[in-house]
Amino acid sequence: NAGVTQTPKFQVLKTGQSMTLQCAQDMNHEYMSWYRQDPGMGLRLIHYSVGAGITDQGEVPNGYNVSRSTTEDFPLRLLSAAPSQTSVYFCASRVNTEAFFGQGTRLTVV
Amino acid sequence: ELKVEQNPLFLSMQEGKNYTIYCNYSTTSDRLYWYRQDPGKSLESLFVLLSNGAVKQEGRLMASLDTKARLSTLHITAAVHDLSATYFCAVEGSGGSNYKLTFGKGTLLTVNP
Repeated sequence: NAGVTQTPKFQVLKTGQSMTLQCAQDMNHEYMSWYRQDPGMGLRLIHYSVGAGITDQGEVPNGYNVSRSTTEDFPLRLLSAAPSQTSVYFCASRVNTEAFFGQGTRLTVV
Repeated sequence: ELKVEQNPLFLSMQEGKNYTIYCNYSTTSDRLYWYRQDPGKSLESLFVLLSNGAVKQEGRLMASLDTKARLSTLHITAAVHDLSATYFCAVEGSGGSNYKLTFGKGTLLTVNP
């Protein structure tokens, strides 16, 4: 049981490049979400999903796309990276009152 | 829109002292969470508070929830260096916003010898 696995752990992108942050969970949780963490800002919700095929926007969705084709996977796509997207990204899955966070992806856009 | 305010944002304590971190939120909610984060690490769940008057304790940390005042507190008793970390509260939206967590900005706690 690996919990929530995020890849990669670190990434440097050039402005305008695209990439996908991967998130997988093996706990069969329906609810998954993506947060970004910036210094002094706490964690802010980007997108979330309440089950396969269902996604919705959070507080800061602009510049990010998601899809949920399986219960296990919830990838986050940056179509055209911008320096403002430099951040630490956390994926989480939840069941009832228990949330499980991945180890984070530290993304730098230069 | 749910807003969550934590204070203080920075807290420097001496070992052995007591202190309280406050978490205020703006709209009705019955679920509040406290997390700990060490530098460069993920979030670790500390407490889940599910009803008015809920109190939970683990070691030197005690959390409480007053839903009428929309206030949660995290009390630190006789602080030790190992408690140095950033602490976040997070509030779950009610009704259609269930499962969406809104986080405070975090309290960076430093415990000095």
